[in-house]
Amino acid sequence: KNQVEQSPQSLIILEGKNCTLQCNYTVSPFSNLRWYKQDTGRGPVSLTIMTFSENTKSNGRYTATLDADTKQSSLHITASQLSDSASYICVVRPQRGGSYIPTFGRGTSLIVHP
Amino acid sequence: SQTIHQWPATLVQPVGSPLSLECTVEGTSNPNLYWYRQAAGRGLQLLFYSVGIGQISSEVPQNLSASRPQDRQFILSSKKLLLSDSGFYLCASKWGTGGGYTFGSGTRLTVV
Repeated sequence: KNQVEQSPQSLIILEGKNCTLQCNYTVSPFSNLRWYKQDTGRGPVSLTIMTFSENTKSNGRYTATLDADTKQSSLHITASQLSDSASYICVVRPQRGGSYIPTFGRGTSLIVHP
Repeated sequence: SQTIHQWPATLVQPVGSPLSLECTVEGTSNPNLYWYRQAAGRGLQLLFYSVGIGQISSEVPQNLSASRPQDRQFILSSKKLLLSDSGFYLCASKWGTGGGYTFGSGTRLTVV
């Protein structure tokens, strides 16, 4: 069964600090891995996407890494801002024909305090 | 780029009442469309997906149904809501094989 596990479940950090969120998956073979940011009460918004051949991708202060051998990904947030407070969701899309149903992690809730 | 319109944003309905949530997509044609539910503190659960007009696949048995009367319209319905239907409902669209998913802003449904 395809699974995506994220840790920690929740995280509180001070503004300006860095943090790293983890994502472990069992989806195999997989097509791509995405990190989404979901503000409270809103739909998720894509931050990064990586295929199995990529091991790092940056989007501003967000840097995602991928180790396809260990099936692990991380999202590193640098110099956190109050607006980074949100849920961060790891999504892995399997490599197969048809509709490419992705597997979603439960997300990490990040709170940035001033 | 794709834009998804989803409404209403918030809905409070009594148990046993019907439900209709609508989602429309702009900026693309023949997208795959999805309905997800997100319970508090839980991940997104895929409810239905559609690869074309009139084509609906259900991922989990439940009290809900979906329809796709037009290429860029996806509707989530129920004849009689249950308390367990409460949650945050998200419509998503995907076009092509390389792109990601675009999500609507969601509907917060509370069944009382």
